[in-house]
Amino acid sequence: DAKTTQPPSMDCAEGRAANLPCNHSTISGNEYVYWYRQIHSQGPQYIIHGLKNNETNEMASLIITEDRKSSTLILPHATLRDTAVYYCIVRVQEDDKIIFGKGTRLHILP
Amino acid sequence: NAGVTQTPKFRVLKTGQSMTLLCAQDMNHEYMYWYRQDPGMGLRLIHYSVGEGTTAKGEVPDGYNVSRLKKQNFLLGLESAAPSQTSVYFCASSLLDRYGYTFGSGTRLTVV
Repeated sequence: DAKTTQPPSMDCAEGRAANLPCNHSTISGNEYVYWYRQIHSQGPQYIIHGLKNNETNEMASLIITEDRKSSTLILPHATLRDTAVYYCIVRVQEDDKIIFGKGTRLHILP
Repeated sequence: NAGVTQTPKFRVLKTGQSMTLLCAQDMNHEYMYWYRQDPGMGLRLIHYSVGEGTTAKGEVPDGYNVSRLKKQNFLLGLESAAPSQTSVYFCASSLLDRYGYTFGSGTRLTVV
């Protein structure tokens, strides 16, 4: 079973920051938070991951709360091409598989 | 460097027919996975492999078999296709490192 809870859908205006929440209240100390996205009918794409510190790369930022029970993926300047389903996943780094939940469908509005 | 390549991209089968889906990766990844995705649903793990010659069951393994005879290839077989196996199938591979999984573009299978 997926270990995360995400809202089924969200809207964001183009050019604004998109903040996607994820609850993972049962996360263990050695489990990482990963984010993927799936643009219509394509294979999922890795975005970012983190353990307890905030992370940033060229695509997004990941903010993890101090108690690690929730996190937020931030797309700083959303574009229409960011319209996709975003999956939040927790797993142990050395675990050999990931289980996807239903994700959040993000709509970027022009 | 092609990444993860899936063949075929589309296929229509009749109930009871068999077929094999091929996944090939050129990144020297140890781990490979097969997922299926039904309309409006998330991805469900069918089978996976942690190295050449190994396979393991995922969430929904029934009706499928897999083989990993070569490190770069992971085959998914349907011995007797059923309409319930109509789905989009995604293959993925990983080094199990910080950069996560690399997915293929999918195979759309219809069983009539």
